Amino acid sequence: AQTVTQSQPEMSVQEAETVTLSCTYDTSESDYYLFWYKQPPSRQMILVIRQEAYKQQNATENRFSVNFQKAAKSFSLKISDSQLGDAAMYFCAYRIPGTDSWGKLQFGAGTQVVVTP
Amino acid sequence: EAQVTQNPRYLITVTGKKLTVTCSQNMNHEYMSWYRQDPGLGLRQIYYSMNVEVTDKGDVPEGYKVSRKEKRNFPLILESPSPNQTSLYFCASSLRGKGYTFGSGTRLTVV
Repeated sequence: AQTVTQSQPEMSVQEAETVTLSCTYDTSESDYYLFWYKQPPSRQMILVIRQEAYKQQNATENRFSVNFQKAAKSFSLKISDSQLGDAAMYFCAYRIPGTDSWGKLQFGAGTQVVVTP
Repeated sequence: EAQVTQNPRYLITVTGKKLTVTCSQNMNHEYMSWYRQDPGLGLRQIYYSMNVEVTDKGDVPEGYKVSRKEKRNFPLILESPSPNQTSLYFCASSLRGKGYTFGSGTRLTVV
C-alpha cells in the first residue's frame, strides 16, 4: 500500500514566483522523519530538507520551506523565488519508524517542477 | 570527498546473464540501501542493510540479492535478470538520524 502520496504529477512556475508541492502520508506512528529530495536531469538525488515529527517548527533551507501539518499528515514543500535551476523532479519521503529501520524510506511518485522564464 | 560510488552508470545485458552492480561509500555509514526508480512509482526499496552482515528485504526484493561483507560495500546482484528489471537503480547510505546520500544511479536495460 502506498504510504506517501504526491498528487501533483507536474507543476509549472515562473521564475521568481512561488510554487507549493503537496505530500500526504499515512502512518499511525507519532515519531518519524520526513524528507524532500530533488532530482535534476542529471538524476542525482539531492536532499533538500528534512523534518522531524516531534518538532513543531517547520524546517527551512534558504528558499525552501515546509508546511508540516502533523494531524492532517501533510508535508508540503514551498519553493520561493523560483530559479531555473529548481527545475527537477521532487520526491517526498517518509522514514519508517523503528530502531532497526532507519534505512527504510518510502517515497512518493514524484512531482515534476517546470520553471519558465 | 564524501560520496557513494556506484558502477556502472549504464548497463545493457541479456535475459538470464548474471550481473552485479557495485556500491561503495567512504563515510563510514551504518545504513545502506538499494532502490529502483520507475516512472509513476517513485523509488522503491529493494534491500537495505543496518550494518555488516545484517540485511533485510525492502518492498520489491524478488529477483535480487545483496551482501554486506564490509561496511563500505553493498553490491546488488541479479542472478538471472529479466526485462521487468529494466530500471534506474540507486544505492544510498546514511548515518542514524541523518538523510540519505545517494549514488549517481545505474541505468539497467535487460533485453
